[in-house]
Amino acid sequence: DIQMTQSPSSLSASVGDRVTITCRASQSINSYLNWYQQRPGKAPNLLIYAASSLQSGVPSRVSGSGSGTDFTLTISSLQPEDFATYYCQQSYSSPPTFGQGTKLEIK
Amino acid sequence: QVQLQESGPGLVKPSQTLSLTCTVYGGSVTSGAYYWSWIRQHPGKGLEWIGYVYVSGSTFYNPSLKSRVTMSVDTSQNQFSLNLTSVTAADTAVYYCARPTEGLFDLWGRGTLVTVSS
Repeated sequence: DIQMTQSPSSLSASVGDRVTITCRASQSINSYLNWYQQRPGKAPNLLIYAASSLQSGVPSRVSGSGSGTDFTLTISSLQPEDFATYYCQQSYSSPPTFGQGTKLEIK
Repeated sequence: QVQLQESGPGLVKPSQTLSLTCTVYGGSVTSGAYYWSWIRQHPGKGLEWIGYVYVSGSTFYNPSLKSRVTMSVDTSQNQFSLNLTSVTAADTAVYYCARPTEGLFDLWGRGTLVTVSS
């Protein structure tokens, strides 16, 4: 199985800050990398697919980049609704695997 | 728009079988890419893919659960289901049904907490 490792595991930031979350795959996954946001008590919600494509309805302050083994999710100008947990997921090979999550908290 | 809703017992005894159903509302279980998925999340933990089920009946399971998992589709009820046998406390989790599209999951149910306890 491909292992996905996110860093940091948690992050404190303020409204208006710019934050970056990193995801590393244990082998090359080309651009088969997806990002999800999960708010407490809710199901995950797809934000970014294919490393950098914005899912419909997701605000443009969210962006993704990377290829191969290293990927980033960036949120510019944090809004209150952005404080949540973020997961990366590889769709390169089966079984699909997720990172352990990054919890973004209000400072 | 299409919505997914999980249903089933919230409490299962150890060694018994966990059975959940996902109903597709606002669409057909036979539409789109013709396959569906189950994913679970242990309390306070990350996400674990359980498997895929195709409308044709083909299935692909996570090797870590393969010996205990069965998935199926009921087109007459517009549903798909999950059975997990010989459960233990380690199977306590929120179980989500989801729609995969080329390996990503673009639609999720709200999730249902299943607790394994006597």
